Amino acid sequence: EDKVVQSPLSLVVHEGDTVTLNCSYEVTNFRSLLWYKQEKKAPTFLFMLTSSGIEKKSGRLSSILDKKELSSILNITATQTGDSAIYLCAVEGNAGNMLTFGGGTRLMVKP
Amino acid sequence: DVKVTQSSRYLVKRTGEKVFLECVQDMDHENMFWYRQDPGLGLRLIYFSYDVKMKEKGDIPEGYSVSREKKERFSLILESASTNQTSMYLCASSRAAGLSNQPQHFGDGTRLSIL
Repeated sequence: EDKVVQSPLSLVVHEGDTVTLNCSYEVTNFRSLLWYKQEKKAPTFLFMLTSSGIEKKSGRLSSILDKKELSSILNITATQTGDSAIYLCAVEGNAGNMLTFGGGTRLMVKP
Repeated sequence: DVKVTQSSRYLVKRTGEKVFLECVQDMDHENMFWYRQDPGLGLRLIYFSYDVKMKEKGDIPEGYSVSREKKERFSLILESASTNQTSMYLCASSRAAGLSNQPQHFGDGTRLSIL
C-alpha cells in the first residue's frame, strides 16, 4: 500500500521567516510527486517533480525531490501572512494518474 | 484555466437519505476523481473514472457509488447517508496519463453534514 507522510503536522512562524516542509513516501512504481496549497477552498497546484535533484521554483517557493531518500522538501522564504494554508504532498505511484496524499502540514504565518 | 465546479458548497442531509454530489469540468479531461478530506487523514480517494461509463474503486468506496454518463460530469452518490459520511468532499480532474503527467485540478469542495 502506498504511503505518504508529511511533517511537521503544523507550524507557526512570523512574517519574514523561512520554512521547510517535509514529505516522505513509500510507493510502488513512482511517477511523480506533487505539492498543493489549500486555503479555504480547492487545493491549488504548486509543483510537480519527476526527476531527482531538480529544483522547481516559483517566486519565494521552491521544491526538490530526492528519489534516493524517497522524500521531498518545500521551502518558503520571506514568509507572508498570505502563505498561511495547508500544504499537501501527493505521490503518483502507478499508471492512471492516481494520487496518494499525505495528511498535510498546516502553516500559520503571524504578522 | 481549468474549471472544476461542484454543485454545492454546503449541504445538510439526514441519516438514511440518498445524496447526490455533482461535479462538472470544462477542460475535456479524461480522468475524474472523488475524494473526501477529514482532519488528520488528508485526502482519501473514494472513486475515480478514466472514461465515460467507466469507474474504479479507490481506497474507501464503501457506502458510495458514482456515475459518469457524460465526459464532463462525475457524480458521487451516497446510497443511504450515515453520520460517519459527514466530511468535505473534493472533486478533481486531469488529462489522461498516457499523454503526459498532468496534475489534478480540484473543485472548491462540498462540506456535507449528515444529521
